[in-house]
Amino acid sequence: DQQVKQNSPSLSVQEGRISILNCDYTNSMFDYFLWYKKYPAEGPTFLISISSIKDKNEDGRFTVFLNKSAKHLSLHIVPSQPGDSAVYFCAASAGGGGADGLTFGKGTHLIIQP
Amino acid sequence: DAGVIQSPRHEVTEMGQEVTLRCKPISGHDYLFWYRQTMMRGLELLIYFNNNVPIDDSGMPEDRFSAKMPNASFSTLKIQPSEPRDSAVYFCASRKGGFDQPQHFGDGTRLSIL
Repeated sequence: DQQVKQNSPSLSVQEGRISILNCDYTNSMFDYFLWYKKYPAEGPTFLISISSIKDKNEDGRFTVFLNKSAKHLSLHIVPSQPGDSAVYFCAASAGGGGADGLTFGKGTHLIIQP
Repeated sequence: DAGVIQSPRHEVTEMGQEVTLRCKPISGHDYLFWYRQTMMRGLELLIYFNNNVPIDDSGMPEDRFSAKMPNASFSTLKIQPSEPRDSAVYFCASRKGGFDQPQHFGDGTRLSIL
């Protein structure tokens, strides 16, 4: 049973517009959420994270929103740039309860079109 | 700063052979994680260490898999004997401090068992 779901396998966005990537989770014990970006033949690169005590975290062009009641988080990229084309993984942990490993979604392939 | 270093980057071997994957975490990081990525199951946690001590190995698929961390700068993941279904990309990640800190990944080892 998938505890972290990314329901869109791919997303195409025009350069300069906003990219919105979505993630849903089922485990109410998750207390820390992260987004990773991955290029082919490389490891996942950390982008941004959010603790369950917050509902928003911003870092430059990247903003993550957390809706705990809906068990939903989203990543907003504004403006989208060609270098943003990659696979984006949503991940979660219940580290506050001693489960430090990350549970990953299956990823969303973001394509930025010129 | 050097990131997480994994070796080899690619490994091709025949079924039944012993395979050893290596990882050097980022200096000063006290947590080390091993993950496996397959098309079917995505990225999944195998085992993690804190201060060189294994904390959770519940993700290790079976007794053919073993992991060690003899010191703070080196870890191995061993498969003996290897089987074709072990073919995957294996990632190592490290983290400094508490659960609300991000994990940083190496570029992975692509393992093919013939």
